[in-house]
Amino acid sequence: QVRLMEFGGGVVQSGRSLRLSCEDTGFAFRDNAMHWVRQSPGKALEWVAAISYDGDNEAYMDSVKGRFTISRDRGKTTYLQMDSLRVEDTAVYFCAREVNFALDVWGQGALVTVSS
Amino acid sequence: QSALTQPASVSGSPGQSITISCTGTSSDVGSYNFVSWYQQHPGKAPQLLISEANQRPSGVSNRFSGSKSGNTASLTISGLQTEDEAHYYCFSYAGGLTRIFGGGTKLTVL
Repeated sequence: QVRLMEFGGGVVQSGRSLRLSCEDTGFAFRDNAMHWVRQSPGKALEWVAAISYDGDNEAYMDSVKGRFTISRDRGKTTYLQMDSLRVEDTAVYFCAREVNFALDVWGQGALVTVSS
Repeated sequence: QSALTQPASVSGSPGQSITISCTGTSSDVGSYNFVSWYQQHPGKAPQLLISEANQRPSGVSNRFSGSKSGNTASLTISGLQTEDEAHYYCFSYAGGLTRIFGGGTKLTVL
């Protein structure tokens, strides 16, 4: 069964950094673009970033450009490096696999809390 | 990158049908049939219901259907059941690797 698992969530002070990891436990995502999606408490889903299957292309939502970096290794892990964190970045962060422009497999989510 | 427009809430009785709309622009929803829909129950990860505007993945109930016309996509749920009570989100291609979600719709089954 293909699964994704996020690691690295926690509490961090405003202005500091945190790195999330998304591990593909089934080794099934090497040919797929991968995405990070977040959800602030009580709010809607928000697309954050994406990386192509080969790692050569990336895209970001406007409010995280220049602060967040998505990457992937040639194995089974996708990362989200989050720098200069803000209180408004507090959210559950999900990683997800893209197939045919849809997100068909999701992780369980990792909570990131940014304190002031 | 404004969110796609969805009604904040819809409601229906068991057995009825409801439709949730998702309106964007010619740069996202209207560009291709790359719109998908997700169901999210509280505290859970979203689950894919519809891909490519009207394709239902294996394992998804045929009570869920999708369509698209111009810059507006729609999700219809027929034969409402109490377990359908959840939040629903649309998601669209917006150029390159950029994507965008709708603001979400809370479905209440009365």
